[in-house]
Amino acid sequence: NAGVMQNPRHLVRRRGQEARLRCSPMKGHSHVYWYRQLPEEGLKFMVYLQKENIIDESGMPKERFSAEFPKEGPSILRIQQVVRGDSAAYFCASVPGLAGGEQYFGPGTRLTVT
Amino acid sequence: DQQVKQNSPSLSVQEGRISILNCDYTNSMFDYFLWYKKYPAEGPTFLISISSIKDKNEDGRFTVFLNKSAKHLSLHIVPSQPGDSAVYFCAASAVGNTGKLIFGQGTTLQVKP
Repeated sequence: NAGVMQNPRHLVRRRGQEARLRCSPMKGHSHVYWYRQLPEEGLKFMVYLQKENIIDESGMPKERFSAEFPKEGPSILRIQQVVRGDSAAYFCASVPGLAGGEQYFGPGTRLTVT
Repeated sequence: DQQVKQNSPSLSVQEGRISILNCDYTNSMFDYFLWYKKYPAEGPTFLISISSIKDKNEDGRFTVFLNKSAKHLSLHIVPSQPGDSAVYFCAASAVGNTGKLIFGQGTTLQVKP
């Protein structure tokens, strides 16, 4: 059973470039959460999606950040015009379909903005 | 506003002894609490959880205690093993709140052989 997969594992972008982070949930899971972990901090919720629908984006910055989870393919977190403050580890977690309960995390994507 | 707090950044214990990790919360709407373990460069791994209708849940060497009146939970690891050395996060979710988890800052546990 494949777990939650994220790619790339490491991503380096220059300021002003775009970053695309991908997340494939566990088999049979149709809901995905994205979290961000800044250095020396805990994980912070960003967005919760099910296929073709954003359920809760209350943790997303208002500008430059967007997320989608298409009917086919992985969920994508997109950061436009990256700045140094976007450097962090980005984790996605999947759940079978009901909100609540334990979430299963991927290995994360470490974004470095130079 | 840090709704979930882990006030001890680090903890060091001897192998075989008990490790006690603490977590405090402020939001009385939280009804489900979880502990995750995280190694460097990996994602968090679920350890154990507890619903607000219980005050204790046990799974092997891991026991979580919940004190709702004090808004406090703790994770006990007995006996501690060197492989338990990691960062431990407590997390909480609120009823009707889409299941998103609110995490504490983490406690780094070191178990010395």
